[in-house]
Amino acid sequence: QVQLQESGPRLVKPSETLSLTCTLSGGSISYYYWTWIRQPPGEGLEWIGHIYHTGSSNYNPSLKSRVAISLDKSKNLFSLRLTSVTAADTAVYYCARGHDFTDNWFDPWGQGTLVSVSS
Amino acid sequence: SYVLTQPVSVSVALGQTANITCGGENIGGNTVHWYQKRPGQAPVLVIFRDSSRPHDIPDRFSGSHSGNMATLTISGAQAGDEADYYCQLRDINTFVVFGGGTKLTVL
Repeated sequence: QVQLQESGPRLVKPSETLSLTCTLSGGSISYYYWTWIRQPPGEGLEWIGHIYHTGSSNYNPSLKSRVAISLDKSKNLFSLRLTSVTAADTAVYYCARGHDFTDNWFDPWGQGTLVSVSS
Repeated sequence: SYVLTQPVSVSVALGQTANITCGGENIGGNTVHWYQKRPGQAPVLVIFRDSSRPHDIPDRFSGSHSGNMATLTISGAQAGDEADYYCQLRDINTFVVFGGGTKLTVL
């Protein structure tokens, strides 16, 4: 059974870079869209972006200038970098496996990690 | 950008049927997926491609899609079904869009 687990710093200072890693167990990074999604406190879900096993990636246009998602097949993990963070980037960050480029649904999801942006 | 509209809240009596809607312009051209989100837990896929159900989701959960509206139906609602429910689709411009979420209360 595929499981995903997020890890990384829980507190980031404004203007700095948020970095998270998602480690996959019970499967391999292939044929799927490895995805980051976030949920600010009290708000809805927001798709950040994904990376395909070939290394090609797509990002939410509203975040595109600040986001990078990378893949490490040898370690079975993928990572998120979000630069120049502000308080608006405070959220629970989830990693998820995306299915099918045309329809693109997500299953399973990691448990999520709350990242706070504060000085 | 593409907008998916969901009711903020839906209430259902224990054992009755709840319908949660998701509307959007030209939504008929896309397939819709649904997630259950309990507080403090990860979202769980309950319906994909409008009406398909993952193997571990009970058949009380069903989905439909007609015109500009998709609907998640929960039959025989149980206390454990209380959660936020989100619809989602793949959009040609912004890639992925989520609805604003619906809080389901089981009375």
